[in-house]
Amino acid sequence: KQEVTQIPAALSVPEGENLVLNCSFTDSAIYNLQWFRQDPGKGLTSLLLIQSSQREQTSGRLNASLDKSSGRSTLYIAASQPGDSATYLCAVRSRMDSSYKLIFGSGTRLLVRP
Amino acid sequence: SAVISQKPSRDICQRGTSLTIQCQVDSQVTMMFWYRQQPGQSLTLIATANQGSEATYESGFVIDKFPISRPNLTFSTLTVSNMSPEDSSIYLCSVGQGGLIGYGYTFGSGTRLTVV
Repeated sequence: KQEVTQIPAALSVPEGENLVLNCSFTDSAIYNLQWFRQDPGKGLTSLLLIQSSQREQTSGRLNASLDKSSGRSTLYIAASQPGDSATYLCAVRSRMDSSYKLIFGSGTRLLVRP
Repeated sequence: SAVISQKPSRDICQRGTSLTIQCQVDSQVTMMFWYRQQPGQSLTLIATANQGSEATYESGFVIDKFPISRPNLTFSTLTVSNMSPEDSSIYLCSVGQGGLIGYGYTFGSGTRLTVV
């Protein structure tokens, strides 16, 4: 059974810092991994999608890497801003399962202090 | 990517009543997904809805409690029936697009349900 873990659960940093969020999954047989952002009480906004054959994806100040063999992904946020404060979720689509469901981690709650 | 309109955005309901959540997509999609996010928890898939067939429910979720309609390729509803305070959650609909490996997901803005 695929399980997704995110560390740390919460993170507080001063504005301007570069930071790394971690995501690990137990089974490397995945189609892809997706990072989302969720603001309090709101829906999810897709940030980056990494296919199983890819090593990284970049969008603006965000860079996500994928090491499928070790079951890990990182989300790197450069020059953090208060507007980056949100919960960041990673999710995998597992080859173990014939359905199209996503398996989510529990998220990292990020606070960027001005 | 697809744009999803979900409503209501929030509601406060009495126990024992039912609430129907609507999800409208701006393009035709084969599959729509309904997720639940309980307070302080991550997302859990409730069911997958295909047009023209019954929804497929995940373990722990049943049709009597969460009936789903999928009348066409751009619309779906989820009903939370006979509600109790334990049903207080954010409910989200989602659609996916892309090929087998590049299949990525877009989510609606969510419905924040409080049952009193």
